[in-house]
Amino acid sequence: EDKVVQSPLSLVVHEGDTVTLNCSYEVTNFRSLLWYKQEKKAPTFLFMLTSSGIEKKSGRLSSILDKKELFSILNITATQTGDSAIYLCAVNGLTGGGNKLTFGTGTQLKVEL
Amino acid sequence: EADIYQTPRYLVIGTGKKITLECSQTMGHDKMYWYQQDPGMELHLIHYSYGVNSTEKGDLSSESTVSRIRTEHFPLTLESARPSHTSQYLCASSERFIGGREETQYFGPGTRLLVL
Repeated sequence: EDKVVQSPLSLVVHEGDTVTLNCSYEVTNFRSLLWYKQEKKAPTFLFMLTSSGIEKKSGRLSSILDKKELFSILNITATQTGDSAIYLCAVNGLTGGGNKLTFGTGTQLKVEL
Repeated sequence: EADIYQTPRYLVIGTGKKITLECSQTMGHDKMYWYQQDPGMELHLIHYSYGVNSTEKGDLSSESTVSRIRTEHFPLTLESARPSHTSQYLCASSERFIGGREETQYFGPGTRLLVL
């Protein structure tokens, strides 16, 4: 059974801090790993990672994948209160005919002034 | 920004009622999905479709049913709602997988269902 584990489950930081969120996975026929940000409503897409060692970057957010050790990290530098959200990691495993996403429980990040 | 819509956004309904949650997308995506998410918990796939007239059950057993008569439309129906169906329901869509091409799921805003 495909499995995604995220850590920490929850953390509180001060504005300006840097945070690293972790995601480890076990999946059959790995296709990609995705990061989403979920505030009060639906998840919004952040990154898709398919290759090891290639950092994806968007502003203060960056992410990298290690397919040998089966994990990914999401970094947020110079955090702001608007970064407060649940960050979801999902792994896309290829099944016959298409993909299947398995989600972790998420890391709840709270950024305080 | 992805063009995927869900209605209603919030629904409070009594036990035993039949309800349909609507999901539509204007991106021409072949694949569509329904997820169920309880507060603070992970998303669970309950239904998916790879195209018109194709529907499959997901990982989480659900008493709901879906249909896919048109590419853009993927409604979810509960014949007789119960309090245990109270949850958030998220619809998503993605393009067809073509070997080697990256694929991203885009989510709708969700429907929060409360069954009394």
